[in-house]
Amino acid sequence: EAGVAQSPRYKIIEKRQSVAFWCNPISGHATLYWYQQILGQGPKLLIQFQNNGVVDDSQLPKDRFSAERLKGVDSTLKIQPAKLEDSAVYLCASSLGFSGRVIGNEQFFGPGTRLTVL
Amino acid sequence: AQTVTQSQPEMSVQEAETVTLSCTYDTSESDYYLFWYKQPPSRQMILVIRQEAYKQQNATENRFSVNFQKAAKSFSLKISDSQLGDAAMYFCASPRRVVSNFGNEKLTFGTGTRLTIIP
Repeated sequence: EAGVAQSPRYKIIEKRQSVAFWCNPISGHATLYWYQQILGQGPKLLIQFQNNGVVDDSQLPKDRFSAERLKGVDSTLKIQPAKLEDSAVYLCASSLGFSGRVIGNEQFFGPGTRLTVL
Repeated sequence: AQTVTQSQPEMSVQEAETVTLSCTYDTSESDYYLFWYKQPPSRQMILVIRQEAYKQQNATENRFSVNFQKAAKSFSLKISDSQLGDAAMYFCASPRRVVSNFGNEKLTFGTGTRLTIIP
């Protein structure tokens, strides 16, 4: 079974430039997550999709970040314009779907994209 | 806000010895899973072990086991016979329902423990 795919693996840009990240989740996984992981910290959820609908984007800086999952499969995360503090690893994860009586669906992570903003 | 606390930013252990990483969490859920994830320097986060909160028996996966104390909301990870490949960041994670969308959930991660294996 193929895992979560992400590209690119590395990206270096100047501040105020734009950048986009791509994620392809595990086939059949309805839920897709984008996380930001700053060096030395745990992942912070930016946005969560259920199929092609947004479930939670409360931590997404909407003045500069946007994300979409148009057909309920692949997703892109965009930053425009980038700031120095956006330097981080951006992780994509996916899981099967809705919670039942017991919560705790395993999330499967991609390799991440390391973004450096100069 | 839900919190997950890992009080040991760094730990080290001699190869072949045993080490325990601690985690405490806060939740209002009654039935849930808890997770330990490992993130090696390659960055890919992988699941090490998960515990079902409503089960009394502690989960075990080969050399990895947990000590789960539900009343104390404590969820520690024990690694036995430590190997060089165990060197990584370890994150504890706890799920919670998305308030605005009840059928969905999200994970809260701790700040991680960096584990070093000494040959």
